[in-house]
Amino acid sequence: EVQLVESGGGLVQPGGSLRLSCAVSGFTFSDHYMDWVRQAPGKGLEWLGRSRDKANSYTTEYAASVKGRFTVSRDDSKNLLYLQMNSLKTEDTAMYYCARVVRADGHYFFGYWGQGTLVTVSS
Amino acid sequence: DIQMTQSPSSVSASVGDRVTITCRASQGINNYLVWFQQKPGKAPKSLIYGASSLQSGVPSKFSGSGSGTDFTLTISSLQPEDFATYYCQQYNSYPLTFGGGTKVEIK
Repeated sequence: EVQLVESGGGLVQPGGSLRLSCAVSGFTFSDHYMDWVRQAPGKGLEWLGRSRDKANSYTTEYAASVKGRFTVSRDDSKNLLYLQMNSLKTEDTAMYYCARVVRADGHYFFGYWGQGTLVTVSS
Repeated sequence: DIQMTQSPSSVSASVGDRVTITCRASQGINNYLVWFQQKPGKAPKSLIYGASSLQSGVPSKFSGSGSGTDFTLTISSLQPEDFATYYCQQYNSYPLTFGGGTKVEIK
């Protein structure tokens, strides 16, 4: 069974840093693209970034809103995906989800999600 | 960036009703579109990918159509468990972008 479990959320002051983790199980982690998506309270979904798989050299993509501040990385030996968040702003307050990309018939979409971890940026 | 516009933003419907939600992309995305269902306090769940392909395990009352810029999600006979918020998302190009969501409420 595929499982994704996020951790590391909490309260942080503006300008601070936080690292989120996503522990995965039930599949070969290195074979899959992994993404981070967030949802501000009462708002819609926002894609943040992607780590491609080992075959694609773990290259990354980012949304403009977080590029330069957030970094997606992974440790395949530990089956962990990370989101390093620096220079946090109040508008970064959100539930943060990790998601595993599913490949089907040439399509790449979010097929599995974690339960999320809440980040609150406030003084 | 490709903007995804959903309509309506909310709809009130009764059990047994047929509900259609539309999603429009600001430029062509072929059929690289996925529909998600999200219930309060839960992570999204994929329903339809490739604009019209049913994700494994999703009941056939959900169907999707469209290509290019205009897409629809249809729920053929609304059941109590279908009251939720629905999102479209394009994966044709980066940055990946979501529609604003459509909340399906009980009339």
